[in-house]
Amino acid sequence: DAKTTQPTSMDCAEGRAANLPCNHSTISGNEYVYWYRQIHSQGPQYIIHGLKNNETNEMASLIITEDRKSSTLILPHATLRDTAVYYCIVRPLQTGANNLFFGTGTRLTVIP
Amino acid sequence: DTAVSQTPKYLVTQMGNDKSIKCEQNLGHDTMYWYKQDSKKFLKIMFSYNNKELIINETVPNRFSPKSPDKAHLNLHINSLELGDSAVYFCASSQAGTSTYFGPGTRLTVT
Repeated sequence: DAKTTQPTSMDCAEGRAANLPCNHSTISGNEYVYWYRQIHSQGPQYIIHGLKNNETNEMASLIITEDRKSSTLILPHATLRDTAVYYCIVRPLQTGANNLFFGTGTRLTVIP
Repeated sequence: DTAVSQTPKYLVTQMGNDKSIKCEQNLGHDTMYWYKQDSKKFLKIMFSYNNKELIINETVPNRFSPKSPDKAHLNLHINSLELGDSAVYFCASSQAGTSTYFGPGTRLTVT
């Protein structure tokens, strides 16, 4: 699976958009970009994933650059409950086991 | 409705003991996993179990053994517990092509 690089930490004011970047310059053509987050003392939670088109769901938007070497997760109106570690993971969408290899992630702190 | 559940939530035990952590998923998924999160918060996959095929992360000691009585359960057995086994253990499940759902975690403390 391709390696990802994320900033160690970020702050965001409550109510503002949180933009979390991820670099994945060695991504392969069949690898998707997944985002998970882990709120303190909880299990990781799936947020969104995409291949090359931008994606949006009720939680967030995912913007993937045209060359697919980087992406940005956008939380449009951050709340205090969005304070968590956010993980960007790239891997193929495949049958069978869906093993996830977590990096160090970005610790997002939403400030009142 | 809890999708992936684990018991116990906390487990404190002494070195050398044998313990088990139970995991159940009610999502109908065909693959289950165990992950370990150490004190430095690194989250690593230990096992994946799919259609009776077990894939083991090569770094996992053989004191750890997953057992699946049926498709909805994947229990983790740990023999001869060591101090370094102290961590939070997460169970998870997925279906091919879907996202992975994680349980709430079991905090294991070995004294």
